[in-house]
Amino acid sequence: DAGITQSPRHKVTETGTPVTLRCHQTENHRYMYWYRQDPGHGLRLIHYSYGVKDTDKGEVSDGYSVSRSKTEDFLLTLESATSSQTSVYFCAISTRRKDSNYGYTFGSGTRLTVV
Amino acid sequence: AQTVTQSQPEMSVQEAETVTLSCTYDTSESDYYLFWYKQPPSRQMILVIRQEAYKQQNATENRFSVNFQKAAKSFSLKISDSQLGDAAMYFCAYRTLNSNSGYALNFGKGTSLLVTP
Repeated sequence: DAGITQSPRHKVTETGTPVTLRCHQTENHRYMYWYRQDPGHGLRLIHYSYGVKDTDKGEVSDGYSVSRSKTEDFLLTLESATSSQTSVYFCAISTRRKDSNYGYTFGSGTRLTVV
Repeated sequence: AQTVTQSQPEMSVQEAETVTLSCTYDTSESDYYLFWYKQPPSRQMILVIRQEAYKQQNATENRFSVNFQKAAKSFSLKISDSQLGDAAMYFCAYRTLNSNSGYALNFGKGTSLLVTP
């Protein structure tokens, strides 16, 4: 399986402070994604990347920015955290294997609490 | 954008029984992929089953099978011989074949499955 790690696993921050979440992959997969998960909403796409310095917005991108300066790292930044951004954040990568056309690997999630 | 609807926020099943989770989707595309993911309390996202829209045969994985009705845009998951370890949140997801959204998965809101002894 593709290696994917998210950091930190948990974070509590104050309203108005900047926060950066990191997603790191150990293989050279092109597509990476940030989702947020909230009760009653499932997983919603925040931003995605299709290569180094190539990113685009998802369904719920307001208040978030991303950067991808290296293939292996995809960073999600909350410039000024708000309580509505309290959520669980998942990073995912799109993988291709010989035995299947499409697959996805998810990180273990980051629980972010904005107080 | 494609919409994925899971109309059952919660479901309950007794151990060893069979349960069916519903999923409908809205799309104008003729080819796409559909997925069911399981999320236990550990938060891990686990692929349960995947269906290619161009395949008429329903996908199966051991105790898990789908009923894919393309014309009705329905993709239900059947879990047979339910086990306590099946208790989790289940998400239905859609994947387009065009690159406009970076091939991102589009998820439903989820169904929480409770398995009782």
